[in-house]
Amino acid sequence: QQQVKQSPQSLIVQKGGISIINCAYENTAFDYFPWYQQFPGKGPALLIAIRPDVSEKKEGRFTISFNKSAKQFSLHIMDSQPGDSATYFCAASTGSYIPTFGRGTSLIVHP
Amino acid sequence: GAVVSQHPSWVICKSGTSVKIECRSLDFQATTMFWYRQFPKQSLMLMATSNEGSKATYEQGVEKDKFLINHASLTLSTLTVTSAHPEDSSFYICSAKGRGQDTQYFGPGTRLTVL
Repeated sequence: QQQVKQSPQSLIVQKGGISIINCAYENTAFDYFPWYQQFPGKGPALLIAIRPDVSEKKEGRFTISFNKSAKQFSLHIMDSQPGDSATYFCAASTGSYIPTFGRGTSLIVHP
Repeated sequence: GAVVSQHPSWVICKSGTSVKIECRSLDFQATTMFWYRQFPKQSLMLMATSNEGSKATYEQGVEKDKFLINHASLTLSTLTVTSAHPEDSSFYICSAKGRGQDTQYFGPGTRLTVL
């Protein structure tokens, strides 16, 4: 199965700080890279997604940076808030391939 | 946005009984649905993928006779846990993709507790 490696496993950030979560993939055929946010007891919700034809995508405080040559992409959460405390999953997919998920990052934002 | 619902949101059953979980795409046609299992503080474990009108494809190690998946229409898939045992207790989450869509949309999950 294709792998997507996500790090760190857990992250603690102070309110107002920047949270950075990284993912690396192996399959160069992947062409869609979403990030999901999951709160305890809830299903994952799509946060933001990027395709390889752009190097960065920003939506509010959330930014994806994409490095095609390094096969890496990352999620940046600017001005992190306690309400951002959740588990974040990166994923990669293409066409008929079953989407592959990272193992998740538990983010805690201290007030 | 695309909405996926799951029912029930939680269920408690006795060991040996069967439980059915429904997954519905409310505002789009889901040509592909996925079923995941998630243990506390762990990642999503894909159990099976189902395409409308076809038999589900199960991941290695998932018992197809225990976890029955039906995707009878473009808006409904069901997961039936047969002869449930305490070790089947978990959080089950479905997701759905529409034809030509890249994004899969997740349901809110179902917490199954087997006594």
